[in-house]
Amino acid sequence: AQSVTQLDSHVSVSEGTPVLLRCNYSSSYSPSLFWYVQHPNKGLQLLLKYTSAATLVKGINGFEAEFKKSETSFHLTKPSAHMSDAAEYFCVSYAAGNKLTFGGGTRVLVKP
Amino acid sequence: GAGVSQSPSNKVTEKGKDVELRCDPISGHTALYWYRQSLGQGLEFLIYFQGNSAPDKSGLPSDRFSAERTGGSVSTLTIQRTQQEDSAVYLCASSQSNTEAFFGQGTRLTVV
Repeated sequence: AQSVTQLDSHVSVSEGTPVLLRCNYSSSYSPSLFWYVQHPNKGLQLLLKYTSAATLVKGINGFEAEFKKSETSFHLTKPSAHMSDAAEYFCVSYAAGNKLTFGGGTRVLVKP
Repeated sequence: GAGVSQSPSNKVTEKGKDVELRCDPISGHTALYWYRQSLGQGLEFLIYFQGNSAPDKSGLPSDRFSAERTGGSVSTLTIQRTQQEDSAVYLCASSQSNTEAFFGQGTRLTVV
């Protein structure tokens, strides 16, 4: 069975400082992994995806994530937070023959 | 269409009434998901359709909830005898194999 754990339910950062959102997955075999962002009162938008190619994945809006099989992690980072990054972020895994599995979400607050 | 389409975008109903929520997935996508998102909460899995396989209904919260997917395309989520705790945003997503899921904008259901 798959599971996804987002280690922080809330993250608060100052504008211009780095952002780190942590995600650990559990799967019987290497899954595909995704990060989605949801701005207030909006739908979910794909930030980036890992599908067994390069382990460092670059996404939109300056975000990137690194797949580390030894640590079963897929943490999301951004070097410099912007006010527009305030949103909720979801880490998602998919393994063939199974449904998508969502983490519990991390709400990001960006302070001016 | 270009994306996942959900209708209606907003629905207000009286307690005890039945409602139907519609999802038009992206053409050719074999997988279709329904999720529920209550105010300030993460995503709650409801049901998953994959091709011609029997749907995974393990997330449906009660027997008042049901869903069907006709011809492998359009899906309808039905909630019978609505209760106030059913108030939430209902999200539909579709995907092809192990690629990313595309989400609709959701239906905001309010039970009064």
